[in-house]
Amino acid sequence: KNQVEQSPQSLIILEGKNCTLQCNYTVSPFSNLRWYKQDTGRGPVSLTIMTFSENTKSNGRYTATLDADTKQSSLHITASQLSDSASYICVVSARSGGYNKLIFGAGTRLAVHP
Amino acid sequence: ETGVTQTPRHLVMGMTNKKSLKCEQHLGHNAMYWYKQSAKKPLELMFVYSLEERVENNSVPSRFSPECPNSSHLFLHLHTLQPEDSALYLCASSQTAVERSYNEQFFGPGTRLTVL
Repeated sequence: KNQVEQSPQSLIILEGKNCTLQCNYTVSPFSNLRWYKQDTGRGPVSLTIMTFSENTKSNGRYTATLDADTKQSSLHITASQLSDSASYICVVSARSGGYNKLIFGAGTRLAVHP
Repeated sequence: ETGVTQTPRHLVMGMTNKKSLKCEQHLGHNAMYWYKQSAKKPLELMFVYSLEERVENNSVPSRFSPECPNSSHLFLHLHTLQPEDSALYLCASSQTAVERSYNEQFFGPGTRLTVL
């Protein structure tokens, strides 16, 4: 069964600190992995997309890594800001040979405190 | 803003009401999607439209009825809903519905639906 599991479920950090969010997946055949940021009351916004051959991708203070062998990904946030408070969703796309098949994780809720 | 708008942003309805959610994308995309997001649960895909044709219906109850009159607009018609249907309903669009590595989906802000 295709699944995406994220940890931790929630996280509180102080402003300026770094943090790392984890994503494990059992999706086959794998196409790509995406990280989305979702602010409260808004839709998800894409941060990074990585294919099988990419093992790291950065977007400003956000750096995503992918280990296709262990089927794990992480999202590292550097020098956190209050505006980083949001849910971070890991999404894996299955290669279906047809239409997009996205499998969503339940998200990690991050709170950055001053 | 992502280029995908949704109205209304909030909706409260009784179980016997009929209402519609509207989604519009200004990105020139050919595919549009409806998702349901319940608290602490992953997004659930409901429907996929490609060039105004429904290509996926994810076992959604018939009390949810989608409509795609053109590639820029998507509606979700609601009737005789249940309290467990209360959730955030998200619309998204992408260049194509066909699986491709960088076929990014752009989401609207969602409609927060409460069924009493």
